Amino acid sequence: QSVMTQPPSASGTPGQRVTISCSGSSSNIGTFYVYWYQQLPGTAPKLLIYKNNKRPSGVPDRFSGSKSGTSASLAISGLRSEDEADYYCAAWDDSLSGRVFGGGTKVTVL
Amino acid sequence: QVQLVESGGGVVQPGRSLRLSCAASGFTFNTYPMHWVRQAPGKGLEWVAVISYDGSEKYHADSVKGRITISRDNSKNTLYLQMNSLRAEDTAVYYCAREMTDHGGLDVWGQGTTVTVSS
Repeated sequence: QSVMTQPPSASGTPGQRVTISCSGSSSNIGTFYVYWYQQLPGTAPKLLIYKNNKRPSGVPDRFSGSKSGTSASLAISGLRSEDEADYYCAAWDDSLSGRVFGGGTKVTVL
Repeated sequence: QVQLVESGGGVVQPGRSLRLSCAASGFTFNTYPMHWVRQAPGKGLEWVAVISYDGSEKYHADSVKGRITISRDNSKNTLYLQMNSLRAEDTAVYYCAREMTDHGGLDVWGQGTTVTVSS
């Protein structure tokens, strides 16, 4: 059981906006940056968001991140079929002295 | 091009040891912290360990402390994961990943190597 909680699934139709939440605590999200990773089926994870809301070059601006207190969220606007993947939040945790990942959210495009 | 290639995975009996390697190329390996992350079959990502750019600092997940150790050889541009006293729950795909020094994100990942612990 991860110390950061994500909903197991989320879905939307093409063009819709989907939001994924990540709930943590003061020892992780409340103090440290949040990162988001996308994992397409059968592939290695890919960095999607860093420092709460920054996108690496090449990541479409349809993906956006935000953080408030001990929670963070990832929004995907203009949902596309190729966005169907697992999404993970991550942060450093001071109590554990290590990185932690959320349990992951599977996004389905209906 | 920037690349990480893991090797050393396989099938091993419980209680035995295995060493994973991650060969880096296309970037200045000795300036980046490096991580191992694993993923059990059908499960989510689990962070395993991190090592500083020069190997002076290491942190391990509680689930592997005392059994699994991260190390690096900057002269060989290679990251390692020494896995001892292996358990069935260590069965997973193991990824190595580079940490960007200016923002902490894991921006380059290997393709993964599979470890199966079974009798």
